[in-house]
Amino acid sequence: EAGVAQSPRYKIIEKRQSVAFWCNPISGHATLYWYQQILGQGPKLLIQFQNNGVVDDSQLPKDRFSAERLKGVDSTLKIQPAKLEDSAVYLCASSYGLGDYEQYFGPGTRLTVT
Amino acid sequence: AQSVAQPEDQVNVAEGNPLTVKCTYSVSGNPYLFWYVQYPNRGLQFLLKYITGDNLVKGSYGFEAEFNKSQTSFHLKKPSALVSDSALYFCAVRTYSDSNYQLIWGAGTKLIIKP
Repeated sequence: EAGVAQSPRYKIIEKRQSVAFWCNPISGHATLYWYQQILGQGPKLLIQFQNNGVVDDSQLPKDRFSAERLKGVDSTLKIQPAKLEDSAVYLCASSYGLGDYEQYFGPGTRLTVT
Repeated sequence: AQSVAQPEDQVNVAEGNPLTVKCTYSVSGNPYLFWYVQYPNRGLQFLLKYITGDNLVKGSYGFEAEFNKSQTSFHLKKPSALVSDSALYFCAVRTYSDSNYQLIWGAGTKLIIKP
């Protein structure tokens, strides 16, 4: 079974530039998550999709971050404009459904904003 | 407030010795508890979960965890540590609020296994 795919793996941009991350979840997984992980901390949920609908985006900085999951499969997360404090690893995860299903994570995208 | 605590930032264990990584939680209702591991430069991997039933849960790579309701703990254990177990370990608890399921994550514990 193929795992969660993410690209790019690394990205360096200057502040005020824009950046986009892509995620392809495990086939058949209805739930998709985007997390931000700052070095030395646990993951912070940014947004959660169930199929192509948003379940929770309460911690997404909506003035600069946006995400979509067209057709309920792939997802993109965008930052525009980026700030220095956005430097982090962005993790995508998927699960079969909500509730007690474990999440499967992609390798992450390490973003450096200079 | 619902929360997860991993009281140790780092745990050092000699290879071959038993290891324990601690986790305590505070949630309303029945807890659904998870352990994940993060190896250097890699994504998080699911290790094991407790939903209901036997308090001792067995997972990947020889790890197990014991759910203790009275102490609100879910400590991760392994009888004999390997150097390859060195990684960052996260405990998480599922909560349900505002009609949403969420995972609350601990801050992580760095496990170092010395040869």
